[in-house]
Amino acid sequence: GENVEQHPSTLSVQEGDSAVIKCTYSDSASNYFPWYKQELGKGPQLIIDIRSNVGEKKDQRIAVTLNKTAKHFSLHITETQPEDSAVYFCAASRPDKLIFGTGTRLQVFP
Amino acid sequence: DSGVTQTPKHLITATGQRVTLRCSPRSGDLSVYWYQQSLDQGLQFLIQYYNGEERAKGNILERFSAQQFPDLHSELNLSSLELGDSALYFCASSVGQSTGNTIYFGEGSWLTVV
Repeated sequence: GENVEQHPSTLSVQEGDSAVIKCTYSDSASNYFPWYKQELGKGPQLIIDIRSNVGEKKDQRIAVTLNKTAKHFSLHITETQPEDSAVYFCAASRPDKLIFGTGTRLQVFP
Repeated sequence: DSGVTQTPKHLITATGQRVTLRCSPRSGDLSVYWYQQSLDQGLQFLIQYYNGEERAKGNILERFSAQQFPDLHSELNLSSLELGDSALYFCASSVGQSTGNTIYFGEGSWLTVV
């Protein structure tokens, strides 16, 4: 199959709390896993990515972890802020295309 | 600003009509991708062009076609439009042809078929 499952579909957190979004992929050949943030009325914007030769990558308040054995990867946002509110998409590469998850709508309440 | 430019931003047209969406990739990028985003289906890959040649094809309907011109801009043609074609159409670009390259999205063209 070529699915990328993403959970949860919606996530509400209090400002300052952490948020975690999880994805599972099916193609063992996938080796590139980007995360995109889409704000209302805008195109998806790359926020972080990870390749299969590393297990974790951090960029300030954002981190991504990858478990190739289990075919899981996750996005972690710490110290969330209202401007983190958006839809987040994970994706996994295949030889011919990038497969996107169905998205997580994150709401951060002040 | 990703550097990927799409026109028009909004388009309303009637069923049965034909429209053309235009995309200019980021400077230096040779690959152009088209994605469709609807409420119930997320981001669906339609087609990829690399340096003028079709490289990969996704769930693109036969009523839809695309091409990439020598100046690397691309057009997505949608014909015999149906109500279900209403969606946000994104163009994206990357330097190389591999799916391991970072893909940058434009702001999208919102198509409404009435």
